[in-house]
Amino acid sequence: SAVISQKPSRDICQRGTSLTIQCQVDSQVTMMFWYRQQPGQSLTLIATANQGSEATYESGFVIDKFPISRPNLTFSTLTVSNMSPEDSSIYLCSVEGETAGQPQHFGDGTRLSIL
Amino acid sequence: QKEVEQDPGPLSVPEGAIVSLNCTYSNSAFQYFMWYRQYSRKGPELLMYTYSSGNKEDGRFTAQVDKSSKYISLFIRDSQPSDSATYLCAMSFSGGYQKVTFGIGTKLQVIP
Repeated sequence: SAVISQKPSRDICQRGTSLTIQCQVDSQVTMMFWYRQQPGQSLTLIATANQGSEATYESGFVIDKFPISRPNLTFSTLTVSNMSPEDSSIYLCSVEGETAGQPQHFGDGTRLSIL
Repeated sequence: QKEVEQDPGPLSVPEGAIVSLNCTYSNSAFQYFMWYRQYSRKGPELLMYTYSSGNKEDGRFTAQVDKSSKYISLFIRDSQPSDSATYLCAMSFSGGYQKVTFGIGTKLQVIP
């Protein structure tokens, strides 16, 4: 399966600032996904990033707050903008399975704390 | 009502026990069912997946899907301390390209 690397692995940020999280995959993939995992809650899809087009956001998530870039088939970034303590969470990148019908694979996530 | 319900636990069992982890769901359109294992400070790792109803076995792990009851299970035989992790059930309408809905995860501790 694809090897997914996320940077940074963790960070502590001040409220009102922004942080960009990077996701690098060791093979070319069409679809990349960004999830949020808040304490005591299930993984929630933020958006789907398809190379060459605008990201598709899920209900409750907006581009101004979570801008996403997808410059090529192996890389994506998620920015968490104007952060507040409620944004403290684990942010996870995932990619499609190798073949149709194969489940997604995840990186190890970015643990973000907002003071 | 959540689309996917999963007891968060924690569940503590002695080493060697048979573990049963379960999820219920409300949307009968789900076709793909997955179990992920997540160790502390790591991302979810795909453990097993099945399409539609039935059983699937892989070593000490068995996944069961009962679509008529909207109920899925993961059984772990001869549980080991290394099985201590959070187990997430997940499901989707179609394969890997599509949105996946997750349960909250059950935290399992296997005591030596």
